Amino acid sequence: AQKVTQAQTEISVVEKEDVTLDCVYETRDTTYYLFWYKQPPSGELVFLIRRNSFDEQNEISGRYSWNFQKSTSSFNFTITASQVVDSAVYFCALSEAAYGSSNTGKLIFGQGTTLQVKP
Amino acid sequence: SAVISQKPSRDICQRGTSLTIQCQVDSQVTMMFWYRQQPGQSLTLIATANQGSEATYESGFVIDKFPISRPNLTFSTLTVSNMSPEDSSIYLCSASVETQYFGPGTRLLVL
Repeated sequence: AQKVTQAQTEISVVEKEDVTLDCVYETRDTTYYLFWYKQPPSGELVFLIRRNSFDEQNEISGRYSWNFQKSTSSFNFTITASQVVDSAVYFCALSEAAYGSSNTGKLIFGQGTTLQVKP
Repeated sequence: SAVISQKPSRDICQRGTSLTIQCQVDSQVTMMFWYRQQPGQSLTLIATANQGSEATYESGFVIDKFPISRPNLTFSTLTVSNMSPEDSSIYLCSASVETQYFGPGTRLLVL
């Protein structure tokens, strides 16, 4: 069965600190997708990144970076020089590939990590 | 990408009543999904709604309680039937367009 574990329930940092959110997953599929979403206090779910199981290259987008390691089944997310606006709940999710397409199937979510960035 | 809208954005309902939530996507998509997020919790999939077929429900969710329609490739509805306070949650729809995009959610409070 597929499972996503975000062991950190809450993290509190001071602005400008770097912070890493951990995500560990379990799946028997050889083709799968990993996601990170941000849920600010307003409640909407904001897509941050999708990574497929065949691409282990790390990715950087501005202050955000992601480290995907299949050997440890981890897909960690780092925010560099955190800002107050980064305060939110962050979800890691796993999806099987939808049969016959590059679309993703249903998402299995981790429990989420609440990040509080203090000024 | 896809832009997804939901109606209503929030509602307060009396127990025993039903509420239908609408989800509109700005492009044609094959796969749509409905999720529930209970207060302070993560998201749980209710069902997968593919156009032209019956919705597929996850364990713990049944069609009588959460009937779903998918009349075309851009629209779906979820009904929360015979509501109780335990149904108070955020209900989100999503569409799979290579990645999965989510609607803004419907905040439901059942009294």
